[in-house]
Amino acid sequence: KQEVTQIPAALSVPEGENLVLNCSFTDSAIYNLQWFRQDPGKGLTSLLLIQSSQREQTSGRLNASLDKSSGRSTLYIAASQPGDSATYLCATGGGNKLTFGTGTQLKVEL
Amino acid sequence: NAGVTQTPKFRILKIGQSMTLQCAQDMNHNYMYWYRQDPGMGLKLIYYSVGAGITDKGEVPNGYNVSRSTTEDFPLRLELAAPSQTSVYFCASNGGAETQYFGPGTRLLVL
Repeated sequence: KQEVTQIPAALSVPEGENLVLNCSFTDSAIYNLQWFRQDPGKGLTSLLLIQSSQREQTSGRLNASLDKSSGRSTLYIAASQPGDSATYLCATGGGNKLTFGTGTQLKVEL
Repeated sequence: NAGVTQTPKFRILKIGQSMTLQCAQDMNHNYMYWYRQDPGMGLKLIYYSVGAGITDKGEVPNGYNVSRSTTEDFPLRLELAAPSQTSVYFCASNGGAETQYFGPGTRLLVL
């Protein structure tokens, strides 16, 4: 059974700092890995999707990497802003089923 | 496009009552999903559907039922509500291998 872990559970950084969020998974037989953002009281918004054959994906200030052999993914956020404050969830895709981590709650302070 | 819509936004149920959480999407997606999210936890899959008339259990299906009579709608039925079903429920959809699109969620409190 796939297990997805995200550490740390919470992170607070000053505005402008570059940061890395970590995601690890136990079963490397995945179709893809996805990063989502969740704002308080809201649904999930997809940020990046990395197919199993890819190593990374980039969107603006976000860069996600995937290392299947070690069971790890990272989400790099450059030049963080207060508007980046949210919970970030990673999920591994097996077919159309997603297995989610518990998330990292990020706070970017002025 | 409205995307994925869910009703109601919030509901309080008494133990033993039943209710239906509504989910609709206007993107002509074949795949639809129901998740629950407990405080401080990730999302867990309850049920999913790969097309009209086809549904299957996810990781935590006990206490729930679903139906998929149309491509657009995927209601989730709670029978005999229990306090353990207090959670936030999310519906999602996609057309295949791409990312899933999520609704805003329904917050359910069972007392």
